[in-house]
Amino acid sequence: ETGVTQTPRHLVMGMTNKKSLKCEQHLGHNAMYWYKQSAKKPLELMFVYNFKEQTENNSVPSRFSPECPNSSHLFLHLHTLQPEDSALYLCASSQDLASGFYEQFFGPGTRLTVL
Amino acid sequence: GNSVTQMEGPVTLSEEAFLTINCTYTATGYPSLFWYVQYPGEGLQLLLKATKADDKGSNKGFEATYRKETTSFHLEKGSVQVSDSAVYFCALTVFQGAQKLVFGQGTRLTINP
Repeated sequence: ETGVTQTPRHLVMGMTNKKSLKCEQHLGHNAMYWYKQSAKKPLELMFVYNFKEQTENNSVPSRFSPECPNSSHLFLHLHTLQPEDSALYLCASSQDLASGFYEQFFGPGTRLTVL
Repeated sequence: GNSVTQMEGPVTLSEEAFLTINCTYTATGYPSLFWYVQYPGEGLQLLLKATKADDKGSNKGFEATYRKETTSFHLEKGSVQVSDSAVYFCALTVFQGAQKLVFGQGTRLTINP
């Protein structure tokens, strides 16, 4: 595998379910991100991790719980979601958050549908 | 605050037509500007970037010039192809302790043969 991979690619869940999204990057990067892409809205940054430490939580509801066990893996744990949480969830990685811009590399996303 | 505004889509053109997708921004500090492209079923890919005023970013026949006086970064291509059909995102980043990308809402482009 190369680049940034995400699993599953599609997920349908009920409001009472608990599920997890997984992201893995094979680029040797140290920063990882979760974004939410909803129809007709700009991409919303949700969480940022740098060297496994969370550096940003963009006022995301607690029903979304991120986990970053190491610099290569990022999870998004989901529980008691709402239908309006249905969206494409994108993971990205970059070298780190130091000064200067490091390109963010995106995975293909997980299409989530909450019934 | 920092924000990006793109022209409303969708945009539909014929092959070999000239393309312009407008992008304007507001930002504190000195932003870097980017265009990302998202092909069907894929994640976003960096298309081009410009890091200071009057810089021109270019890639795959696409160009955009960082215009500080008009706070714009319009994307252009002289002759589009069917394979250019995708969603295009304008974005900026300002380093404030850490880099953070702010995206526009995206513009869906469809090129007909």
